[in-house]
Amino acid sequence: QQQVKQSPQSLIVQKGGISIINCAYENTAFDYFPWYQQFPGKGPALLIAIRPDVSEKKEGRFTISFNKSAKQFSLHIMDSQPGDSATYFCAARGSGGYNKLIFGAGTRLAVHP
Amino acid sequence: GAGVSQSPRYKVTKRGQDVALRCDPISGHVSLYWYRQALGQGPEFLTYFNYEAQQDKSGLPNDRFSAERPEGSISTLTIQRTEQRDSAMYRCASSLSDRATNEKLFFGSGTQLSVL
Repeated sequence: QQQVKQSPQSLIVQKGGISIINCAYENTAFDYFPWYQQFPGKGPALLIAIRPDVSEKKEGRFTISFNKSAKQFSLHIMDSQPGDSATYFCAARGSGGYNKLIFGAGTRLAVHP
Repeated sequence: GAGVSQSPRYKVTKRGQDVALRCDPISGHVSLYWYRQALGQGPEFLTYFNYEAQQDKSGLPNDRFSAERPEGSISTLTIQRTEQRDSAMYRCASSLSDRATNEKLFFGSGTQLSVL
């Protein structure tokens, strides 16, 4: 019940295309859903986040779509660029309110020029 | 630097030895977290401090693992009698506070632990 399942494991997209990464969760008590971006040799960095009372959040080329009834959320990267090539992790915050995050297994994105 | 600093960057040790991993959070950040990240996986929560108080240690795998933050700033994660299964990247993260308005976690570059 505490898992966050992420797919696909890897993704190849052409420059200018749309990258879509999906996550699913079981615990309806989760109240915060961030996406983290990680480059090789670096720690994860917060990219964008959403709360379950909102169905969509957009920041620049990055959009989170949230489906509360299906317990699913996804990250869309519009106009994907080679610089977006990284590993992306979805996460969900557990009970307690502090940043006890449960992460998905990650998606390795490669954007080809 | 302005980021979360961890040392050492790499630690190679023999099975049975104790290791201490250090984390220096961003100045002024009240909340400090330790996560462990296996190769090809997402980070896994270990423990959480608010100031010097360890509020949640539910993710520590067993009693060989302990953490402290005695003055509410620098934290040390200690692993006693290391085992090969302890090999992983250990990441520290901090946030301004644990309030809902300060949710952004800043991760360090981690300590890669290898137990031979």
